[in-house]
Amino acid sequence: GDSVTQMEGPVTLSEEAFLTINCTYTATGYPSLFWYVQYPGEGLQLLLKATKADDKGSNKGFEATYRKETTSFHLEKGSVQVSDSAVYFCALRTGGGNKLTFGTGTQLKVEL
Amino acid sequence: DAGITQSPRYKITETGRQVTLMCHQTWSHSYMFWYRQDLGHGLRLIYYSAAADITDKGEVPDGYVVSRSKTENFPLTLESATRSQTSVYFCASSAFMVREVEAFFGQGTRLTVV
Repeated sequence: GDSVTQMEGPVTLSEEAFLTINCTYTATGYPSLFWYVQYPGEGLQLLLKATKADDKGSNKGFEATYRKETTSFHLEKGSVQVSDSAVYFCALRTGGGNKLTFGTGTQLKVEL
Repeated sequence: DAGITQSPRYKITETGRQVTLMCHQTWSHSYMFWYRQDLGHGLRLIYYSAAADITDKGEVPDGYVVSRSKTENFPLTLESATRSQTSVYFCASSAFMVREVEAFFGQGTRLTVV
C-alpha cells in the first residue's frame, strides 16, 4: 500500500537557519504530493503541493520538488523564523478515489 | 462563517460511555473524512464519506460509527469509549476525490477517555 516516511523530530533550529525536512514515499500509481502544516492548537493547513514529476511547490518561502526518480518530496526553507515553529506533515494522494496518506509528522522548533 | 468546524474542541469522557464528535462544513464538499492523530502514527483515516448516505471504512474503523444524512454534517460516534481512543480527532472535507485536490481540516477535537 501507499506510505510516507518522514524524518524523526523534533528539529530545533536557530532563527535564519536553513531548513530541510526529508520525505520519501511509496505509492501505487502516480501520486500528488502535499506538505501540510499544523500550528500549535490548530488543524492542518495546506502549505504547498506538487502534482507531477519535477514540479516545484512553493509558499511562504518554503519549497519542495517532486522527485520521481528518488521518490522524494523534501521540504526546504532558506531562512526560518520563530513563527515557523509547527508540525509539518508530508502526504500523498493517488487517483481513483484514494485517501490522503500522511507521514508521522516532524515537529520544528525555531529559537531566537 | 464559511469553513469546517468541529465540536466540542475538548472532551473528557469515561470508559464505556458513548460520545459523538460533530463536524460541519459550509462548502457543500462531497467528501468528508475523519482522522485521528497520535504521536508516532501521524494521521490515520477512520472513516470517509463520498456523499450523503455513502460512507466507507478507513484504516482504523473499529469502535467507531459514522453517519451522513446531510452533505454538510459528518458526526463520528464512539459507541463505547476505550482508553485507546484517547486522541486528537480531525475532520476534513474535499470537493473532489482526485489526486491533486487538497483537503481542508477542522481545528480538531481533543478527546480524553478516563
